[in-house]
Amino acid sequence: AQSVTQPDIHITVSEGASLELRCNYSYGATPYLFWYVQSPGQGLQLLLKYFSGDTLVQGIKGFEAEFKRSQSSFNLRKPSVHWSDAAEYFCAVGVGNNAGNMLTFGGGTRLMVKP
Amino acid sequence: KAGVTQTPRYLIKTRGQQVTLSCSPISGHRSVSWYQQTPGQGLQFLFEYFSETQRNKGNFPGRFSGRQFSNSRSEMNVSTLELGDSALYLCASSFSMNTEAFFGQGTRLTVV
Repeated sequence: AQSVTQPDIHITVSEGASLELRCNYSYGATPYLFWYVQSPGQGLQLLLKYFSGDTLVQGIKGFEAEFKRSQSSFNLRKPSVHWSDAAEYFCAVGVGNNAGNMLTFGGGTRLMVKP
Repeated sequence: KAGVTQTPRYLIKTRGQQVTLSCSPISGHRSVSWYQQTPGQGLQFLFEYFSETQRNKGNFPGRFSGRQFSNSRSEMNVSTLELGDSALYLCASSFSMNTEAFFGQGTRLTVV
């Protein structure tokens, strides 16, 4: 069975600093990969996705992620963090006959932004 | 284009009761999935429907069931509620198989 690990439960960065959130997955083949963000009490918003092709994908709000097959990783990055980026971030993999909507999520990383 | 709509947003039920949650997907989307989010277990997949058929099911007891209607709207039912069923229940829709999913705001269920 597939699994997703987000090693960092909490991360604090200063506003304007760069950000990298780590995600590692376990699966025999290349899954579909996603990053979602969740603000308190809200649903999940899709930041970006990787299905195939270029391993560096661009998303909304200035986020990007890089798929590294050799490391089974799909890390999320942003060059300059804004206070409004404070939220919880989830990495997810999709496999099976509906890899877009049958997702296995990591435990999440809560991002705090210092002024 | 309206997003995924879940009703109600908040619900309080008593142990032993049953509850029905509703999800209206994005117009044109045919796949609907349900997820449970709790502080202890995180986000877990419940089941997925496509064209009124349940095609995938997560590892949850039979008390959790669902259905999808011909207009793609979906309902989820939990019978004989337990305290541990308290959670945020999220619905997600996608256009077809193997396309990205968009989530609703969720229904916060509290079982007392």
